[in-house]
Amino acid sequence: DIVMTQSPDSLAVSLGERATINCKSSQSILYTSNKRNYFAWYQQKPGQPPKLLIYWASTRESGVPDRFSGSGSGTDFTLTISSLQAEDVAVYYCQQYYTSPGTFGQGTKVEIK
Amino acid sequence: EVQLLESGGALVQPGGSLRLSCAASGFTFGRYAMSWVRQTPQRGLEWLAAVSGSGNSTYYANSAKGRFTISRDIPKNTVFLQMTSLRSEDTAIYYCAKDRAPLDNENFYGYFDSWGPGTLVSVSS
Repeated sequence: DIVMTQSPDSLAVSLGERATINCKSSQSILYTSNKRNYFAWYQQKPGQPPKLLIYWASTRESGVPDRFSGSGSGTDFTLTISSLQAEDVAVYYCQQYYTSPGTFGQGTKVEIK
Repeated sequence: EVQLLESGGALVQPGGSLRLSCAASGFTFGRYAMSWVRQTPQRGLEWLAAVSGSGNSTYYANSAKGRFTISRDIPKNTVFLQMTSLRSEDTAIYYCAKDRAPLDNENFYGYFDSWGPGTLVSVSS
């Protein structure tokens, strides 16, 4: 199985500041024939299921604020929240869907400093 | 609006069985693969199984293979997860989740734009 490793496990950021979360896969999840990275980011708030933020590594889901952006390719990926808002406090997960079983990172908890 | 609602979670003894259901609405059910994903504090999010849009193809994680069976009833817009030989480590919140995009009738992508609120399965004597 592909192992997804996120860093850091938690971070505290001041309101309006940038938050950056990294995710590394144990093997490339770039499908060369279509040049797509089979990679997604989710946000999970307490008591709620995960919510899809980003897919294909950098495509924002409909309705997701543009302060959220995804980047990276191959094995290294980044989720950036450009200006942290109070409602962004959550746990963020990365996921690969390149091979079955799809696997998730361990999560990164984002808090307000 | 897409809605998914799981049911069937319960307290069950080790070795027991349970069937989870997920009622879906708000989309063309037979066009999308559906999955079950579980979550625990210890192991995080774990994809378990997927069923293709047609219902003819199923896919499993090793942890589910041989003990869990996913199926769907297209006319009733419902996905099921039959679980047998339950162990304490199966204790988790179980979510059903919809593939974001249709692929073809027999395959699945495995990234999810809609999730149910989850149902709690507890395995304990």
